[in-house]
Amino acid sequence: SYELTQPPSVSVSPGQTARISCSGSGLSNRHVYWYQQKSGQAPVLVIYEDSNRPSGIPERFSGSISGTVATLTISGAQVDDDSEYYCYSTDGAGQGVFGGGTKVTVL
Amino acid sequence: EVLLVESGGGLVKPGGTLRLSCEASGFTFNIHYMVWVRQAPGKGLEWISSISHGGGNIDVADSVKGRFTISRDNAKNSVFLQMNSLRAEDTAIYYCAREALGAPDLYPDYWGQGTLVTVSS
Repeated sequence: SYELTQPPSVSVSPGQTARISCSGSGLSNRHVYWYQQKSGQAPVLVIYEDSNRPSGIPERFSGSISGTVATLTISGAQVDDDSEYYCYSTDGAGQGVFGGGTKVTVL
Repeated sequence: EVLLVESGGGLVKPGGTLRLSCEASGFTFNIHYMVWVRQAPGKGLEWISSISHGGGNIDVADSVKGRFTISRDNAKNSVFLQMNSLRAEDTAIYYCAREALGAPDLYPDYWGQGTLVTVSS
């Protein structure tokens, strides 16, 4: 089955840059999406089609992809960005796949 | 405003059944694919099943295939998840989500707040 791999955790100080990776063998020809999930809340889309921000998402969130690795970057991280982040893609057979999630701690 | 409200969760014994509902508002329901995603306590997100706008195209994760069935009623702006032969490992928050329209891929762009299903004796 298709898998997306993320690091379990990333820690940054306020104002620093956080980078979260997501690797998968099929990412070279598929799009990646990123979701933020705060504790006790539903996920929120923060990046779609690799690098696009939905309306209302701060500019400090950006996405990129190189080969089979996608990266979510939070530039100038704020305490409010302390959350779990999930990458998502499709398996080419009609099913969605989530990465295991990365806990970003801003402290 | 896009709104998705799930209901139907609760405590059920192993082997039991449950039917989840998700009522949508704030958008044209019958042109969007819909999807169910779950999250076990303290764990990550797991894609479960999706259904096309007309209901003719359905995909199901292997982990629930043969036990869970997705359906929709466009007249009622609702999508459902029938869960049979429930197991302890099905314990999770179940989220209903709308799939984005006109994109190269299917992906959830709006989510409900979820409904908790607990399978325990």
